[in-house]
Amino acid sequence: ETGVTQTPRHLVMGMTNKKSLKCEQHLGHNAMYWYKQSAKKPLELMFVYSLEERVENNSVPSRFSPECPNSSHLFLHLHTLQPEDSALYLCASSQVEPGQGSSYEQYFGPGTRLTVT
Amino acid sequence: AQKITQTQPGMFVQEKEAVTLDCTYDTSDQSYGLFWYKQPSSGEMIFLIYQGSYDEQNATEGRYSLNFQKARKSANLVISASQLGDSAMYFCAMRGNDKIIFGKGTRLHILP
Repeated sequence: ETGVTQTPRHLVMGMTNKKSLKCEQHLGHNAMYWYKQSAKKPLELMFVYSLEERVENNSVPSRFSPECPNSSHLFLHLHTLQPEDSALYLCASSQVEPGQGSSYEQYFGPGTRLTVT
Repeated sequence: AQKITQTQPGMFVQEKEAVTLDCTYDTSDQSYGLFWYKQPSSGEMIFLIYQGSYDEQNATEGRYSLNFQKARKSANLVISASQLGDSAMYFCAMRGNDKIIFGKGTRLHILP
């Protein structure tokens, strides 16, 4: 496997279900990101893990719970979602230089198309 | 506050013609970076090109070039000799102070 992979590619879940999205990067990067892409809206950054620490959480509802067990893996745990959470969820990774606080180009996975019924 | 504006929701261009996708930005950061990404119908975001705010020359990557005009705060993407496979959504993005924000995107259609 190369680049950034995401599973599953498609997910349909009911509002009472619990599911998890998985992301894996094979690029040796040290920062990973979750984005939400809804129709007709800009890409929304949800969570950032840099050097395995969560460094950003953009006021995301608690029904979304990220987990980053190591620098190569990122999960998004979902529970009691709402229909408006239906969207494309994209994972990305990048290389962050410690102490410089800068992140360069991000490499994205193919996304998980989530439908909440 | 940082902001990215892409004013063209959709564009149609004849194959082999050059196309310019507009992007303007607003930031108070002195150091920032500008990116363009391509998103085909498959959904994957593909990195195309990067321009640093201190780079004096416009970035180029193959058929892609970034027309960076710092005083006007614009970072337009130019695709030369467009191909049918260039049909996709294109997003302009800006990095500053560990944050990265994206524009709403421009849908580009290449006509045969």
